[in-house]
Amino acid sequence: EAQVTQNPRYLITVTGKKLTVTCSQNMNHEYMSWYRQDPGLGLRQIYYSMNVEVTDKGDVPEGYKVSRKEKRNFPLILESPSPNQTSLYFCASSLWAGGDYNEQFFGPGTRLTVL
Amino acid sequence: QKEVEQNSGPLSVPEGAIASLNCTYSDRGSQSFFWYRQYSGKSPELIMFIYSNGDKEDGRFTAQLNKASQYVSLLIRDSQPSDSATYLCAVKTGNQFYFGTGTSLTVIP
Repeated sequence: EAQVTQNPRYLITVTGKKLTVTCSQNMNHEYMSWYRQDPGLGLRQIYYSMNVEVTDKGDVPEGYKVSRKEKRNFPLILESPSPNQTSLYFCASSLWAGGDYNEQFFGPGTRLTVL
Repeated sequence: QKEVEQNSGPLSVPEGAIASLNCTYSDRGSQSFFWYRQYSGKSPELIMFIYSNGDKEDGRFTAQLNKASQYVSLLIRDSQPSDSATYLCAVKTGNQFYFGTGTSLTVIP
């Protein structure tokens, strides 16, 4: 089944404790992206990757890191989480970012709470 | 700052009616436009995309794009209770995607 998977689905942590949220897709997509969704603010792009070893900042990259060492995986790293990073996080992928048609497939989401 | 604006709603329509959802965007360089549906607690799923001026129809859904006015809309004909969800407008500009805050739609049986 073609899908985007994220782990964990739910996470409660404390300020300053490094964490990684994994994202994996099995569709051989070139483009992958991380979003956070907050009430009243909508979905905001954190980082995106055009292909292996190619990553770029989105609108809200502060406090986050990413890496793209393999095509299928795009982990999101919070090296020192803070309470303002409490949010619902989505990973998404699309075949590529060029051209006009870029359907993004979203993962199931990770609900993160930072105390 | 690239902005995508939507009325947050809530929008309520009776079953069988037409629901009209609107979206404006600020960057004239935006290339492609998408409508996603998001049920509560779920991830967004694509309903329609459009990149040329005019109308695009897919079943009960019609997307309309007016680049001169920087305006995108989604019409849902014969609305069903299962259409009750939040509808997200998304815009592709360069290699990035920008989303509106969503419009909550309730279809009343």
